[in-house]
Amino acid sequence: DTGVSQDPRHKITKRGQNVTFRCDPISEHNRLYWYRQTLGQGPEFLTYFQNEAQLEKSRLLSDRFSAERPKGSFSTLEIQRTEQGDSAMYLCASSLGKGTDTQYFGPGTRLTVL
Amino acid sequence: AQSVTQLDSQVPVFEEAPVELRCNYSSSVSVYLFWYVQYPNQGLQLLLKYLSGSTLVESINGFEAEFNKSQTSFHLRKPSVHISDTAEYFCAVDTGGFKTIFGAGTRLFVKA
Repeated sequence: DTGVSQDPRHKITKRGQNVTFRCDPISEHNRLYWYRQTLGQGPEFLTYFQNEAQLEKSRLLSDRFSAERPKGSFSTLEIQRTEQGDSAMYLCASSLGKGTDTQYFGPGTRLTVL
Repeated sequence: AQSVTQLDSQVPVFEEAPVELRCNYSSSVSVYLFWYVQYPNQGLQLLLKYLSGSTLVESINGFEAEFNKSQTSFHLRKPSVHISDTAEYFCAVDTGGFKTIFGAGTRLFVKA
């Protein structure tokens, strides 16, 4: 059990560019979550997967955002045409998938949009 | 809709003093409550949780929180803090729909 990993840890991009982040959950964890955290705030829920099915999406997830978990293992979060307001820490978490079970968080990807 | 309010953004305290980090929530349905901790340069970790049963829950490092339904609170306490407790603490609520709502966080700063 190596924990939840995220790649890259830091990303600096120019406004209008596309970026993609990857999350590798703990093996055999069925649930995977994406959150966004801005300075001085707690994490905000973005979306949630049960295996490969995306079951819930926040209204925060505009049309420029898309998340996938094609084989029910790792997940990607893509932001198209980035805006300065997208600058934040993007957190991934995973859990076993039994009731209200513990979420294990990755270290996050810090995105800076110039 | 659910919401979480952490009443203090920063709490400075001297080592070995007691501390209370306050958390209030609002929800029209039954909730599950959590405290997460984020140490400097580390990811979020679950500190303790209330799902059902005893309203007093404890963590392995001496923190405890009490679920108070009438006051819709879930305050976090520790009778004697250590320098190593310096971190940001997040209160969170979940209604079982897998969408966890976090508070804005309280930064605990323990001074020698």
